[in-house]
Amino acid sequence: EDQVTQSPEALRLQEGESSSLNCSYTVSGLRGLFWYRQDPGKGPEFLFTLYSAGEEKEKERLKATLTKKESFLHITAPKPEDSATYLCAVRGGGGSNYKLTFGKGTLLTVNP
Amino acid sequence: ETGVTQTPRHLVMGMTNKKSLKCEQHLGHNAMYWYKQSAKKPLELMFVYSLEERVENNSVPSRFSPECPNSSHLFLHLHTLQPEDSALYLCASSQGGYGNIQYFGAGTRLSVL
Repeated sequence: EDQVTQSPEALRLQEGESSSLNCSYTVSGLRGLFWYRQDPGKGPEFLFTLYSAGEEKEKERLKATLTKKESFLHITAPKPEDSATYLCAVRGGGGSNYKLTFGKGTLLTVNP
Repeated sequence: ETGVTQTPRHLVMGMTNKKSLKCEQHLGHNAMYWYKQSAKKPLELMFVYSLEERVENNSVPSRFSPECPNSSHLFLHLHTLQPEDSALYLCASSQGGYGNIQYFGAGTRLSVL
């Protein structure tokens, strides 16, 4: 069974203080690792997909990296508007072509 | 309208009521999903429809009944719910399944009294 563990559960940063969120996973045949951002009262918003170890993707202040066991979401010089819950999900090779297994998320708060 | 739209945004119902949640996608996708999001728990996949056929049902109680009349619309019919069914219900769509990105609606916040 696919599993995703995100850490920390919550992270509080000062504006401009860079940090990283962790997503550890176990999956049978990774078919994609997905990062989403979710604001309160809204649905998850897609950020990145990574497919193979060593892959990296960037968007503004965010950079996602992938190894065979974990993914990191690096946040460089965050701003208050980066405050949100960040969700990690994986799609494995066994069974379903559709199922995403999600972690519980990391609640990021960036203080001005 | 763009993206994935869900209505209503908020719903309060008693345990004996019958209600329906609606989802519409304007992305031209061929797969649609229902998820349940409860506090402190990961998103739980409930149902998947691909090309209007149900392809997954993850042990969801029969008080939840999905319907997919066409590739753009998805419904979740609710009856005799329990208080523990209170949650955020999210709809998503994708083009196919394998490795493809799921795009989510804003959700319906359901409270069962």
